[in-house]
Amino acid sequence: QVQLEESGGGLVKPGGSLRLSCLASGFTFSDYYMTWVRQAPGKGLEWISYISRRSTYANYADSVRGRFTISRDNAKNSLYLQMNSLGAEDTAVYYCAREAFNDMSGYLGTDHWGQGTLVTVSS
Amino acid sequence: DLTQPPSVSVSPGQTATITCSGDKLVYKNSCWYQQKPGHSPVLIIYQDTKRPSGIPERFSGSNSGNTATLTISGTQAVDEADYYCQAWDNIVVFGGGTKLTVL
Repeated sequence: QVQLEESGGGLVKPGGSLRLSCLASGFTFSDYYMTWVRQAPGKGLEWISYISRRSTYANYADSVRGRFTISRDNAKNSLYLQMNSLGAEDTAVYYCAREAFNDMSGYLGTDHWGQGTLVTVSS
Repeated sequence: DLTQPPSVSVSPGQTATITCSGDKLVYKNSCWYQQKPGHSPVLIIYQDTKRPSGIPERFSGSNSGNTATLTISGTQAVDEADYYCQAWDNIVVFGGGTKLTVL
């Protein structure tokens, strides 16, 4: 079955950096776009970034563009999120998730999610 | 942006309706997610009207013009959760979420 396991979360000081990882299993990783979504405590879902199957294209939410970088290693079935210049507003649970597309009918949704990893930005 | 009502209340066995409004939403393959406290979101509707395998038939979706709608028929206590709409527009956009209370 599809599994997505995030790691790398923790406590970081304002202005600091953190790198999140997501290990995928149970599916052909290189066949799928992958995405990061975050959820601040008590708040809604916020899409952060996605990356295409072979890393040729990535897109970012305005709130993180220029500070966060998404990447993937298909040989290791892994997705990453490098987060720099962190602020209190970045405190959230970060989810790794799979985006599904069909060549004929288009977007099929974010069909599998990891359990999330908590990032806390505080001095 | 996608706009959802912050909260909806429904009695057990009744029909719950949650709306999601956005510009030209009908062209953007809307999806819906259910999230229970302490859990990750679960995809319950994709491409406006389709249910992934394992999602009960009481969940249905529609999309017309600028509004997508999630309908839960015969709502059960287990359906109490937060619901998020989502659309694809070269980026992923989520609605603010709706807390469904089953009274």
